[in-house]
Amino acid sequence: DAKTTQPTSMDCAEGRAANLPCNHSTISGNEYVYWYRQIHSQGPQYIIHGLKNNETNEMASLIITEDRKSSTLILPHATLRDTAVYYCIVRAYSSASKIIFGSGTRLSIRP
Amino acid sequence: DVKVTQSSRYLVKRTGEKVFLECVQDMDHENMFWYRQDPGLGLRLIYFSYDVKMKEKGDIPEGYSVSREKKERFSLILESASTNQTSMYLCASSFEGQGNRGSRSYTFGSGTRLTVV
Repeated sequence: DAKTTQPTSMDCAEGRAANLPCNHSTISGNEYVYWYRQIHSQGPQYIIHGLKNNETNEMASLIITEDRKSSTLILPHATLRDTAVYYCIVRAYSSASKIIFGSGTRLSIRP
Repeated sequence: DVKVTQSSRYLVKRTGEKVFLECVQDMDHENMFWYRQDPGLGLRLIYFSYDVKMKEKGDIPEGYSVSREKKERFSLILESASTNQTSMYLCASSFEGQGNRGSRSYTFGSGTRLTVV
């Protein structure tokens, strides 16, 4: 599975959009981009995934560049409860292989 | 609500004890995983299983074994607990069968914080 690069930490004002970037320049054609987050003392939680089209669900939006070498997770109206470590992962959808977690981005939401 | 349930939230064991960490999922998922999480080291995969009675080593299997006798249950075993196995242990499951049932994302349990003294 391709490796990803994320900023170590970010902060965002409550109520504003939080934009979390991820670079995955070695992504291959059959690999999807997945985002998870981990709130303190809890297990990671799935947020969203996509292949090449932008995706939106009730939690977030995922914007993938046309060359698929980077993506951005958008939390449209950040709240204090969105404070967490966010992990960007790429893996083949049909693969039974395990997820490798990187270091993630520690997102802090300030009141 | 679908769930991955880990039997204990907090556990304290003595060095040398045999320790069982239990994980149960109610989603009929084929795949199950055990990770440990330590400050500065992130989540590291210990063992995983694609099916009943099947197991594969992850990145750090030493000192651990697993058991999957039923599809819904995946047990992590510390044969002789040591202080360097003090950690947060996280179980996860995912669907990996044919068809397009769901996102094939992982569902994690809440974790077991194990302290070995």
